Amino acid sequence: GAVVSQHPSRVICKSGTSVKIECRSLDFQATTMFWYRQFPKQSLMLMATSNEGSKATYEQGVEKDKFLINHASLTLSTLTVTSAHPEDSSFYICSARDLTTSYGYTFGSGTRLTVV
Amino acid sequence: QQQVKQSPQSLIVQKGGIPIINCAYENTAFDYFPWYQQFPGKGPALLIAIRPDVSEKKEGRFTISFNKSAKQFSLHIMDSQPGDSATYFCATRAQAGTALIFGKGTTLSVSS
Repeated sequence: GAVVSQHPSRVICKSGTSVKIECRSLDFQATTMFWYRQFPKQSLMLMATSNEGSKATYEQGVEKDKFLINHASLTLSTLTVTSAHPEDSSFYICSARDLTTSYGYTFGSGTRLTVV
Repeated sequence: QQQVKQSPQSLIVQKGGIPIINCAYENTAFDYFPWYQQFPGKGPALLIAIRPDVSEKKEGRFTISFNKSAKQFSLHIMDSQPGDSATYFCATRAQAGTALIFGKGTTLSVSS
């Protein structure tokens, strides 16, 4: 089945630095990928929708200059958290839609970001 | 405004029991209703999904019941096992190609 690989699984960074998270579709092409953030014991909240070759669409309240999304190829989308602060600590999850299956959305395994 | 309302927030059942988790949605244009299972520290995994033209779907021990007129759908887990202990999310989407919208989740504990 469709597999989405997300890396790294865990990252700790110092406040003020930037962190890049990668999301790859391994066996299918993903023209659209989605980025979510999940705080402890809460649901997944959509941050942005990224389309290959174009600018990402951000949800209301998500700072596009802080959360940089690049979707340069059909199999790779990246999320860069710039000038990270402790309040950015969260679980970030990407998702891609495999158009070869009916309605299927596949999720990555998530990245636990801790900003100290 | 919460577009998908999920209940209960938590659920405890004994092994072999049949936990039922419910979701209600607002928008009649929603066209896809999946359920996801998530273990701590992992991404959500698709369990089962249904389209609005079907009232029930079974896959193994998991069953979705869908009531279009009531705008509700539910997940039933037959013969629940301790390994089913996880957080379950219902989801839907506004239209094809858009992101999934998730319910708030239900934490299920199955005691042995």
